[in-house]
Amino acid sequence: DGGITQSPKYLFRKEGQNVTLSCEQNLNHDAMYWYRQDPGQGLRLIYYSQIVNDFQKGDIAEGYSVSREKKESFPLTVTSAQKNPTAFYLCASSGTGLGDGYTFGSGTRLTVV
Amino acid sequence: KNQVEQSPQSLIILEGKNCTLQCNYTVSPFSNLRWYKQDTGRGPVSLTIMTFSENTKSNGRYTATLDADTKQSSLHITASQLSDSASYICVVSVYGVGGANSKLTFGKGITLSVRP
Repeated sequence: DGGITQSPKYLFRKEGQNVTLSCEQNLNHDAMYWYRQDPGQGLRLIYYSQIVNDFQKGDIAEGYSVSREKKESFPLTVTSAQKNPTAFYLCASSGTGLGDGYTFGSGTRLTVV
Repeated sequence: KNQVEQSPQSLIILEGKNCTLQCNYTVSPFSNLRWYKQDTGRGPVSLTIMTFSENTKSNGRYTATLDADTKQSSLHITASQLSDSASYICVVSVYGVGGANSKLTFGKGITLSVRP
């Protein structure tokens, strides 16, 4: 079955540490996205990529970094510069047509300890 | 500023009853509107996608409506089941801006609880 896989499901980070969240898709989608979800708020876009080796900042990119070396993979690094990283992180992919829907991963919950 | 407002914030209904969730948006120029269902601790799953010319779209017991003139959408759930307990998110896409899906505006979601 085609789908999008995020790992790990739960992640704990110590203060000052960088952590990387994995996102892999086998849907042959060109575009991939990272969102952050906090309680009581809508999803906020961190980064997106519409093609390999290219990505764009979203609304809340500060303290995060990404890479897109392969079409299937779009890892997100939460750096120590991100002062409030505890959140639920969602990865998504889509085609680039106007009517193309999103497929979301099952999410990674990151907690600072 | 592009905004999506959903109401009510939360809703409790009895199993077997119907309910309607509301979404108002100020996104312009409008491309499409989507409803997603998100179970706790999981990623959102698409229920419907509607473009400007579509007024109604159904997916099983879920029926979405769109009034592009008043910029309102609703999601009607018929004969609710316990498994319908989830957050329902309205998402609006801006037409032609930086790639089709790069400028989605998300509502905060409506938390629906279905009680036996």
